[in-house]
Amino acid sequence: NAGVTQTPKFQVLKTGQSMTLQCAQDMNHEYMSWYRQDPGMGLRLIHYSVGAGITDQGEVPNGYNVSRSTTEDFPLRLLSAAPSQTSVYFCASSPWGGEVSYEQYFGPGTRLTVT
Amino acid sequence: GENVEQHPSTLSVQEGDSAVIKCTYSDSASNYFPWYKQELGKGPQLIIDIRSNVGEKKDQRIAVTLNKTAKHFSLYITETQPEDSAVYFCAALEYGNKLVFGAGTILRVKS
Repeated sequence: NAGVTQTPKFQVLKTGQSMTLQCAQDMNHEYMSWYRQDPGMGLRLIHYSVGAGITDQGEVPNGYNVSRSTTEDFPLRLLSAAPSQTSVYFCASSPWGGEVSYEQYFGPGTRLTVT
Repeated sequence: GENVEQHPSTLSVQEGDSAVIKCTYSDSASNYFPWYKQELGKGPQLIIDIRSNVGEKKDQRIAVTLNKTAKHFSLYITETQPEDSAVYFCAALEYGNKLVFGAGTILRVKS
């Protein structure tokens, strides 16, 4: 299993540009999520999904869109990049609900710089 | 919503000593508390977790305790080694399987 994969690893955008960060998992996990990591602030939840066709907002959703058309993929779209979105972005997946493990498996991250 | 505070933000210990990281949470309904380790340039990885029906859990050199009344939980690493140097995050699970993370602790083990 490849686990959780993210592309690209690095990206530089100009203010106002749009782009999509890709995330895929091959563990058949229902739950997927996107976090951003900023110095001194830990990881903050942007959006999450509990299954195909179902998404919801996390703590910091403004400026980002998501969709979940398949169990495997959960892309994150930046609509109009701003310098405040400079961050490291992590995608994660986990089994969902009940007594199943809540462990979240993280991808390697995408380092995004907006100039 | 849930709020998680983590201390200290940085911690330096001599190889072989113990390290302790403490976290507090605000939502008494939270029932799952994981700890993640993040090495440089990588994503966080689960190292140990504890559920609210357990007060203590140990896995080799790592242990975690939970005090539900006081709403705090702690990570203990004994006999620290240079490879333990990393950023450690505590987290609490709130409604909807959403993890709320602490700000992180940079642990440096000096050899």
